[in-house]
Amino acid sequence: EVQLVESGGDLVQPGGSLRLSCAASGFTFSGCWMNWVRQAPGKGLEWVANIKQDGSEKYYVDSVRGRFSISRDNAENSLYFQMNSLRVEDTAVYYCMGCSRWGQGTLVTVSS
Amino acid sequence: QAVVTQEPSLTVSPGGTVTLTCGSSTGAVTSGHYPYWFQQKPGQAPTTLIYDTSNKHSWTPARFSGSLLGGKAALTLSGAQPEDEADYYCLLSYSGDREVFGGGTKLTVL
Repeated sequence: EVQLVESGGDLVQPGGSLRLSCAASGFTFSGCWMNWVRQAPGKGLEWVANIKQDGSEKYYVDSVRGRFSISRDNAENSLYFQMNSLRVEDTAVYYCMGCSRWGQGTLVTVSS
Repeated sequence: QAVVTQEPSLTVSPGGTVTLTCGSSTGAVTSGHYPYWFQQKPGQAPTTLIYDTSNKHSWTPARFSGSLLGGKAALTLSGAQPEDEADYYCLLSYSGDREVFGGGTKLTVL
């Protein structure tokens, strides 16, 4: 069964940090560009970052560049998202997505 | 950054046909934007319906199809079912492998 399972979402204060993880199974993870996509409460989808199959290329939306970092471990079939200097506006459900598969999402809440 | 536009809302009758579109502020949408279409039902994660303009997955109902139409990407639903009521998002790829979602279309089957 194809699965993407995110974890790591939590309530954090502004300026804090979180690390999200996404565990993949049931498909060739190493063959896929992988993405982080977020959805603020009641809003639409927003693409946030992606990473090439071998990790050699990474791209970010302007609002998170310099604060967030995407990485992957193909040996562990895992995707990661290091989120630093978090802001209230980063509050959202974060989904990992690749090769047309989606995880169920993990909620990040930034609030004092 | 490019802006991707979709109809905010559309209504279709059961059994009817509706076309959702996806435009780009940079000009015509082409196959080089690798258009994707996603469906999201309330409280659920999105699912991928169409990739690379018109390709379907094994789980994509046959009544959905993707195309390029009048300089936009298009998603056509032929023979709408009540379970097709959902939000639909398109995604376009721009140079530098940056991706931009449209604002979404809320489709009502009524």
